[in-house]
Amino acid sequence: QSALTQPPSASGSPGQSVTISCTGTSSDIGSYNYVSWYQQRPGKAPKLMIYEVNKRPSGVPDRFSAFKSGNTASLTVSGLQAEDEADYYCNSYAGRSNFVFGTGTKVTVL
Amino acid sequence: EVQLVESGGGLVLPGGSLRLACAASGLNFSRDWMHWVRQAPGKGLLWVARISNDATITDYADSVKGRFIISRDNAKNTLYLQMNSLRAEDTALFYCARENWGANDYWGQGTLVTVSS
Repeated sequence: QSALTQPPSASGSPGQSVTISCTGTSSDIGSYNYVSWYQQRPGKAPKLMIYEVNKRPSGVPDRFSAFKSGNTASLTVSGLQAEDEADYYCNSYAGRSNFVFGTGTKVTVL
Repeated sequence: EVQLVESGGGLVLPGGSLRLACAASGLNFSRDWMHWVRQAPGKGLLWVARISNDATITDYADSVKGRFIISRDNAKNTLYLQMNSLRAEDTALFYCARENWGANDYWGQGTLVTVSS
């Protein structure tokens, strides 16, 4: 199972928005609504930000939103804050009892 | 408070074996599906394996199938990963994580496995 494709980096100034894409195939993102997004700060464990394509766990700010269209999922961080600087990973169920992560995107707040 | 604490990592020779453990507290462990995820130094996340709450279902990434075994002891609230025939490319920080809503909502801090001669 190949990794989902994400841009290596994205950036924005405080207050701006940044959108990260996550491209898969019809065998993973295109077939299932089990798409999730994780934030990972340096030296820390990943933190769940989005599950089931567009749902936010309790405690995650509504500045984080996501959607899916076809084989591509996207995460948008609105009103960028310094604390949003981190690596972000998408994940999808890939059928046949497999899961696959994205390649990761480093978000920089300028 | 939910806590997942991994242990058992270390330095092992290529071809060797290691058993990781993940001690869970603050959740109803016997009802939860659990995962192992790894991250090579400076690299991205890779899904490794998962196990159903009653251990009747186990799934593996192709890269570890036949070499790694995921198991659990619900009486001890502990998840395990037996790793055999280790290779240099298995060097990584190994995380355990709980599955919820088809995602991983709680993660441990990881245990480092280094495969080197």
